[in-house]
Amino acid sequence: DTAVSQTPKYLVTQMGNDKSIKCEQNLGHDTMYWYKQDSKKFLKIMFSYNNKELIINETVPNRFSPKSPDKAHLNLHINSLELGDSAVYFCASSQDLRTSYGYTFGSGTRLTVV
Amino acid sequence: GIQVEQSPPDLILQEGANSTLRCNFSDSVNNLQWFHQNPWGQLINLFYIPSGTKQNGRLSATTVATERYSLLYISSSQTTDSGVYFCAVEGWGNNRLAFGKGNQVVVIP
Repeated sequence: DTAVSQTPKYLVTQMGNDKSIKCEQNLGHDTMYWYKQDSKKFLKIMFSYNNKELIINETVPNRFSPKSPDKAHLNLHINSLELGDSAVYFCASSQDLRTSYGYTFGSGTRLTVV
Repeated sequence: GIQVEQSPPDLILQEGANSTLRCNFSDSVNNLQWFHQNPWGQLINLFYIPSGTKQNGRLSATTVATERYSLLYISSSQTTDSGVYFCAVEGWGNNRLAFGKGNQVVVIP
């Protein structure tokens, strides 16, 4: 039983395409996140949602649009993909916004834009 | 925003050796966590430790919040300890974890 699952694990696509990454958590957590990890392993937060409400939008281009249909799901849609979008994207969840207790990451989606 | 510095950036250990990783942060925090990213990329939460000391098997962590640092101890290292160790902190009312650049650890048999 995977706690935070994201799909797909690998994504290779051409510049200009639109793609989505899905994330689901079965931990009953209130808060979910998207992170981007670059080639130097630096982890940077992109978005966070608390009970379906957007909390953090961290100066990410408008081409990135998160969607949270319910508190167990947080999907990431990317329009007009660029070479610089190539990275590993991690979904995560935590018990709540106040404590960030129980932080759990998904296994990551390696996106390669060619 | 809050700055997080981890040292050393790279560490090579002989199996069985002990080591200490350090995390310094620039402001007071209400949350500090240590994560391990294994060579396959999986990020595992090791400790939630805004203050005090915790132990989990061969790993232990200590955070001295008043002096703005945390230490992660690895004892009797094993090859499975290889990977990158990240320290992440959250400032009061900030609602986000700021990650350090990590400690890359390689344990050789």
